[in-house]
Amino acid sequence: EVQLLESGGGLVQPGGSLRLSCAASGFTFSNYAMSWVRQVPGKGLEWVSYTSGISTAEYYADSVQGRFTISRDSAKKTVYLQMNSLRDEDTAMYYCAREAVQFGEFPISLDHWGHGTLVTVSS
Amino acid sequence: QSALTQPPSASGSPGQSVTISCTGTSNDIGNYNYVSWYQQHPGKAPKLMIYDVTKRPSGVPGRFSGSKSGNSASLTVSGLQAEDEADYYCSSYAGINHLVFGGGTKVTVL
Repeated sequence: EVQLLESGGGLVQPGGSLRLSCAASGFTFSNYAMSWVRQVPGKGLEWVSYTSGISTAEYYADSVQGRFTISRDSAKKTVYLQMNSLRDEDTAMYYCAREAVQFGEFPISLDHWGHGTLVTVSS
Repeated sequence: QSALTQPPSASGSPGQSVTISCTGTSNDIGNYNYVSWYQQHPGKAPKLMIYDVTKRPSGVPGRFSGSKSGNSASLTVSGLQAEDEADYYCSSYAGINHLVFGGGTKVTVL
């Protein structure tokens, strides 16, 4: 069974940093690209970042480009999202999700999602 | 990349059909057959219902179907059931390695 478990959320002041983790299990981790998607409570979904499984490709939404960094550790089967220079508008539930198709090279569709970790940016 | 446009709400009685639209541009929906639809119940993570415009993942009922025409896509839920009441989001590959979502549609089963 595919499982994704996010952690690392919490309360942080504007300008601060936070690192989210997503521990994966139940599938061949290196074969699948992964994305982070966020959702402001009561609002819609916003794609944040993508890391491919087989290459070093990393992509970001314009809203986080230059502030967030995605990475993955195949040995630990974990995806990370390093978030720097956090702003009030980064407050959201952050979901980790797996691409539906193996060996993809860009974000298309997400077939498994974690339960999310809440990030609150506030002074 | 701007968000895709969805109606904020849709409704239908049990057994009826409801169709949700998702409008994009020639840079996203119009240029790629990579439209997906997600169902989200309150307090839960999204669930993939349709991918590649018309394909259903294993376990998704056949009552859910997708289509695309030009810069717009649609999700149809036939034979509405109480458990179909949820928020639905479309997404599309938007080129230059970006994914864009719609604003979401709340489906109410009357």
